[in-house]
Amino acid sequence: AQRVTQPEKLLSVFKGAPVELKCNYSYSGSPELFWYVQYSRQRLQLLLRHISRESIKGFTADLNKGETSFHLKKPFAQEEDSAMYYCALRRNNNDMRFGAGTRLTVKP
Amino acid sequence: NAGVTQTPKFQVLKTGQSMTLQCAQDMNHEYMSWYRQDPGMGLRLIHYSVGAGITDQGEVPNGYNVSRSTTEDFPLRLLSAAPSQTSVYFCASSYGGGAGANVLTFGAGSRLTVL
Repeated sequence: AQRVTQPEKLLSVFKGAPVELKCNYSYSGSPELFWYVQYSRQRLQLLLRHISRESIKGFTADLNKGETSFHLKKPFAQEEDSAMYYCALRRNNNDMRFGAGTRLTVKP
Repeated sequence: NAGVTQTPKFQVLKTGQSMTLQCAQDMNHEYMSWYRQDPGMGLRLIHYSVGAGITDQGEVPNGYNVSRSTTEDFPLRLLSAAPSQTSVYFCASSYGGGAGANVLTFGAGSRLTVL
């Protein structure tokens, strides 16, 4: 079965600490992976995607096909990073599957 | 440019009632989809459409119907609501080509409670 796994439902770090949100996927085809974020009282929005290979708000994510992972990392967390983060996999037939999400809290 | 508009924002139904959640986008996106968001389960795909006249089932399609008669609109119908359909529903759209291809634009969500 094609699926996305985010093993941590909750993650709490202190401001300035590194943060890593884990995402593993299983998919027999060629994956396209995304991270979406939902800040409090805002709409779900794209944070980054693996094909762009860019850093957004200090976050990066590298697709590791050998480990089937797409972990999201930031070296120094900020309070404004507190949000719900979803990893998503786009399958070849155009549907997008999401993980269960990780709620990140950055404490002052 | 309104993006993705969902109505209503809130709805309470009794078991067995029917209703339609509306979704409209003004970005000329080919792809539209409906998700439900439940605590601990993330977003689960209900139905999606890759263009007018074309729809397909996602992970959790039972109890829901969709149609896509125009590019702009993608309504989600609950024919006989059940308490298990209590959830927050999100509509999302994207286009298939260019730099922003396959990036979903989400609506604000519709919170449905079935008593």
